[in-house]
Amino acid sequence: AQKITQTQPGMFVQEKEAVTLDCTYDTSDPSYGLFWYKQPSSGEMIFLIYQGSYDQQNATEGRYSLNFQKARKSANLVISASQLGDSAMYFCAMRGTNTGGFKTIFGAGTRLFVKA
Amino acid sequence: KAGVTQTPRYLIKTRGQQVTLSCSPISGHRSVSWYQQTPGQGLQFLFEYFSETQRNKGNFPGRFSGRQFSNSRSEMNVSTLELGDSALYLCASSPGTLGGEETQYFGPGTRLLVL
Repeated sequence: AQKITQTQPGMFVQEKEAVTLDCTYDTSDPSYGLFWYKQPSSGEMIFLIYQGSYDQQNATEGRYSLNFQKARKSANLVISASQLGDSAMYFCAMRGTNTGGFKTIFGAGTRLFVKA
Repeated sequence: KAGVTQTPRYLIKTRGQQVTLSCSPISGHRSVSWYQQTPGQGLQFLFEYFSETQRNKGNFPGRFSGRQFSNSRSEMNVSTLELGDSALYLCASSPGTLGGEETQYFGPGTRLLVL
């Protein structure tokens, strides 16, 4: 069975500091994708970053980087230089096979609060 | 390029009624997936459509159904609404051909309240 675990229900970070949001996953798929999404209070899910299971290097997108440790099955999101606008829910997700098809499963999310 | 659009954005219904939600994917995307988000259950996969065919489905009762049209637009229908169907319904689009490497882009969602 596929599973995503986010163990931090809430996190506080000071503006301009870096923060790491944890994500571990479980799958038996040989190939899969890992994603992070941001969900502001408006509800829309905003794609942040993607990491393929065969990618050798950690993904980076601007202030976002994904710390991918395949052997430990972890895919932590690092946000550098936090901004007030980063306050939101963050979801880790994995896309893999499901009885011949593909579906994306999500973790429970981490609510990030950025303090001024 | 226009993003994923969903209509309506907000909806209030009463128990027993049915509802139809609409999703227009990003131009060129042929896969549309639907998710239900509730405070208690989080984000749950409903189903995915690709080229007018349901390619995958989650564990939801038969009251939840969907379809996709030749222009890739998709509709989701919930019949005999229950209070527990109150949720944010999110639609996501993707090319549909890249499997696990495929990034899904989400619409703004439809907030459904069942009274």
